[in-house]
Amino acid sequence: AQSVTQLGSHVSVSEGALVLLRCNYSSSVPPYLFWYVQYPNQGLQLLLKYTSAATLVKGINGFEAEFKKSETSFHLTKPSAHMSDAAEYFCAVSESGGYQKVTFGTGTKLQVIP
Amino acid sequence: GAVVSQHPSRVICKSGTSVKIECRSLDFQATTMFWYRQFPKQSLMLMATSNEGSKATYEQGVEKDKFLINHASLTLSTLTVTSAHPEDSSFYICSARDAGQGGYGYTFGSGTRLTVV
Repeated sequence: AQSVTQLGSHVSVSEGALVLLRCNYSSSVPPYLFWYVQYPNQGLQLLLKYTSAATLVKGINGFEAEFKKSETSFHLTKPSAHMSDAAEYFCAVSESGGYQKVTFGTGTKLQVIP
Repeated sequence: GAVVSQHPSRVICKSGTSVKIECRSLDFQATTMFWYRQFPKQSLMLMATSNEGSKATYEQGVEKDKFLINHASLTLSTLTVTSAHPEDSSFYICSARDAGQGGYGYTFGSGTRLTVV
C-alpha cells in the first residue's frame, strides 16, 4: 500500500520568500514520487518527478525537491516565490516498476502575498 | 511534450440524463488511462483504470454501471456518467500514461466540470 501526507493545507509566503511545501510518503516498495501543480478549474501539470536516480530533483519554474529515504520525505522548495506560483500543489506516489496507479496527497494551497 | 485533450471542459446536464467525457492522447499512444474525480478543495480520487481493448478496473466503491468507461483505441478513452444526479457534480480529470517517458510519465487532461441540475 502507498500513501502520501501533505502537511499544511494552506501555506502563505511573501513574494520573494522561500517556498517550502512538505510531503511525506509511505510505500512498501521503492517509490516514484511526483509534484503536480493545479490552477483553478484546470488539470494537473507535472512540476518534477523522482524515479530512483538523483535524490535532488529539479523541475520547471524553479522548483526542486529532495528525496530523503531516511525521513520518507519529498519536500518541494523554491528559493524565491513569484505571484504566479499561487496555486494548489499535489504530492503523489506511485510504486515503481510498472504500470502502477498514482496516489495523491490532499494538496497544499499556496498563497503568495505581494 | 505529451498532450492529453479532455472534452468538454464544462457541462451542465439535467438530472437523469447521461454525459460523455472524452480523453484523447494527441501525440502518443496510451495503453492505459486513468479517470479521477475531484471534489471541491479535495484531492484527486482514482475512479478507474482504463486499458485499451479490455474492461476497465474500478476502484472500490465506484459503481461501474454508473460510470461507464470505454477505451476503444490507443488514443481515446471515454467516461460516461449515466443517469446523472446532483451528487455526481464534480470535477473529472483523466490521465494518460506515456510509455515514451520511461513508464512513469503521467500526463493529465485539463478536466471537466460537471454540474447536474
